[in-house]
Amino acid sequence: GQNIDQPTEMTATEGAIVQINCTYQTSGFNGLFWYQQHAGEAPTFLSYNVLDGLEEKGRFSSFLSRSKGYSYLLLKELQMKDSASYLCAGMDSNYQLIWGAGTKLIIKP
Amino acid sequence: TAGITQAPTSQILAAGRSMTLRCTQDMRHNAMYWYRQDLGLGLRLIHYSNTAGTTGKGEVPDGYSVSRANTDDFPLTLASAVPSQTSVYFCASSVQREGAEQFFGPGTRLTVL
Repeated sequence: GQNIDQPTEMTATEGAIVQINCTYQTSGFNGLFWYQQHAGEAPTFLSYNVLDGLEEKGRFSSFLSRSKGYSYLLLKELQMKDSASYLCAGMDSNYQLIWGAGTKLIIKP
Repeated sequence: TAGITQAPTSQILAAGRSMTLRCTQDMRHNAMYWYRQDLGLGLRLIHYSNTAGTTGKGEVPDGYSVSRANTDDFPLTLASAVPSQTSVYFCASSVQREGAEQFFGPGTRLTVL
């Protein structure tokens, strides 16, 4: 079957760094997406990895290891506005996104 | 630019009634999607459309139907609502299905009693 696993909730301190892990099992693989979703709002795109390695985009970076079925999202210099859910999604061979349940990130001052 | 709009924002519906959730995008995207989001679960794909005139079934299509008469609009119809269809429904679009970022509408919160 297809499955995405990520932690349910994480807590971090303002100004710190946090790493949100995601493991995936998909039928075929056409990339790994990360989205941010604030409470009561729509998901918004953060990153897309299809090749192994680290992609950096400002304070956010995303890493992919296809051999391990593993990705992480790294958030640096945390701000209160980063409090949100972070959704990991793998794209399968039919170009369908398989979504994790999301990691709720709580930022404390 | 509006991006993607959905209507209504929220709705309470009696079981057995029908309802159409509306979705319109102005980005000329080829692909469009309907998802439902339930607490503790990931987004689940209901139906999708690769391009105007075509539709396909997603992971949870039962009880729902869609049409894609033109590029911009992708309505989702519940023919006879049941309480298990209580959810938040998101419409999304992308330039193409293959490896492309999906843009989401603001969502419709539907309660079926």
